[in-house]
Amino acid sequence: DGGITQSPKYLFRKEGQNVTLSCEQNLNHDAMYWYRQDPGQGLRLIYYSQIVNDFQKGDIAEGYSVSREKKESFPLTVTSAQKNPTAFYLCASNRNGGGQETQYFGPGTRLLVL
Amino acid sequence: GQQVMQIPQYQHVQEGEDFTTYCNSSTTLSNIQWYKQRPGGHPVFLIQLVKSGEVKKQKRLTFQFGEAKKNSSLHITATQTTDVGTYFCAGPRSNYQLIWGAGTKLIIKP
Repeated sequence: DGGITQSPKYLFRKEGQNVTLSCEQNLNHDAMYWYRQDPGQGLRLIYYSQIVNDFQKGDIAEGYSVSREKKESFPLTVTSAQKNPTAFYLCASNRNGGGQETQYFGPGTRLLVL
Repeated sequence: GQQVMQIPQYQHVQEGEDFTTYCNSSTTLSNIQWYKQRPGGHPVFLIQLVKSGEVKKQKRLTFQFGEAKKNSSLHITATQTTDVGTYFCAGPRSNYQLIWGAGTKLIIKP
C-alpha cells in the first residue's frame, strides 16, 4: 500500500525543547516538502528537497531544520528557536519536484506547545 | 513577489445550493491545481488545468482556467454534505515549488 506516513499524529512540546516530526514515503518520489498550516490559512512552505542529501529553505524556514539522508525519509525538527510552533504540519512528495506535478500529502502532525 | 489570492475565505450554503471559489494569480501560470481538504484531514488533489480557457468537469464540480491563465474557478452544483471542506488552488512558483491560495471553506448550514 503506497503512500506517505507521518508520525506522531499529535506532538506536545515543552518550552526550550527540540522536537522531530517524521515523514516517510514509499512512492519512490524524489521530491519532498514540509508545509505549515495555521487555522484558517493556506499552506506555507518550510523546506523542500529535490533529491537525497540536498534541501532548500522555503518561505518560513527560521526555527526549523531538516535532513534528507534517504530517499524515503524527510524528518523535520522544530527547534527551540521557533517561538510559535503550534500548527498543523504537512509533509508532501512528488515524483521529481516539478511545479507541474501533483503533490501527495501525508496525514499531518499537530504540534502543541505545553 | 508572486501571489495567489483566493476568495471568498468562507462560504455558507444550504445543502442543495451552489458554491463557487475564485483564484487569481499576480502572474501567468503554466498550470493550476485544485485540492480539497476535509475537516481534520490533509489536502487531496482534485484536478490540474493546463490550457488557456480550459473547462473540466468532475460530476457536480466544474473547473475553469481563464483565457489569460491568471485566474481559475471551481463551481459545485447542488452541494452535498460530502462537499464540506476547504478548497485550495495552487500554481507553480518555480520549477520545484507551488504557491498556494489561502483556501475557501465550504460550510453547509444546518
